[in-house]
Amino acid sequence: EVQLVESGGGLVQPGGSLRLSCAASGFTFSSYDMHWVRQATGKGLEWVSAIGTAGDTYYPGSVKGRFTISRENAKNSLYLQMNSLRAGDTAVYYCARGYGIRGNNWFDPWGQGTLVTVSS
Amino acid sequence: SYELTQPLSVSVALGQTARITCGGNNIGSKNVHWYQQKPGQAPVLVIYRDSNRPSGIPERFSGSNSGNTATLTISRAQAGDEADYYCQVWDSSDVVFGGGTKLTVL
Repeated sequence: EVQLVESGGGLVQPGGSLRLSCAASGFTFSSYDMHWVRQATGKGLEWVSAIGTAGDTYYPGSVKGRFTISRENAKNSLYLQMNSLRAGDTAVYYCARGYGIRGNNWFDPWGQGTLVTVSS
Repeated sequence: SYELTQPLSVSVALGQTARITCGGNNIGSKNVHWYQQKPGQAPVLVIYRDSNRPSGIPERFSGSNSGNTATLTISRAQAGDEADYYCQVWDSSDVVFGGGTKLTVL
């Protein structure tokens, strides 16, 4: 069974840092692009970052320079290092497998999410 | 930046057909993917590349994409179809989601 399990969420003060992890199982992790998508409470989905099989990374402007996505294929793990956190970064963070060709991925499956709360 | 526009809400009578639209400039030239999200759960892919159903998704779910509008159609709507639905495309190297549509089955 293909499975993604996020961890590392929690309460952090504005300006602080947090590292999220996503453990993958049930598929050849190294062969797939991987993504982080977040969702603030009661709001829609927002793409946060992507990493290709070769380690190439992509970010939207809202997090570029503050967030870093990485992967460790030997551990079937995906990470998101979040620095300079703001209240607006408060959300549930999902990891998702990217399926299909580069630049046209769809997301399947998604993990259950981990909640990040940025507050003093 | 590219924008996708979805109606905030759509209502459908039990057993009838629901259509959820996703509008974008020349969206017909892009591949559109659709996700279903029930309260407290992670999103689930229901349609990929405009009109393809993943395994396990009922045939009642279908999709189309042309011009400036992509449409997710849910036939014979059931109570269990009540959820938020999101469309998604790629624009250059960015992933774009629609704002989401809440489907209510009456």
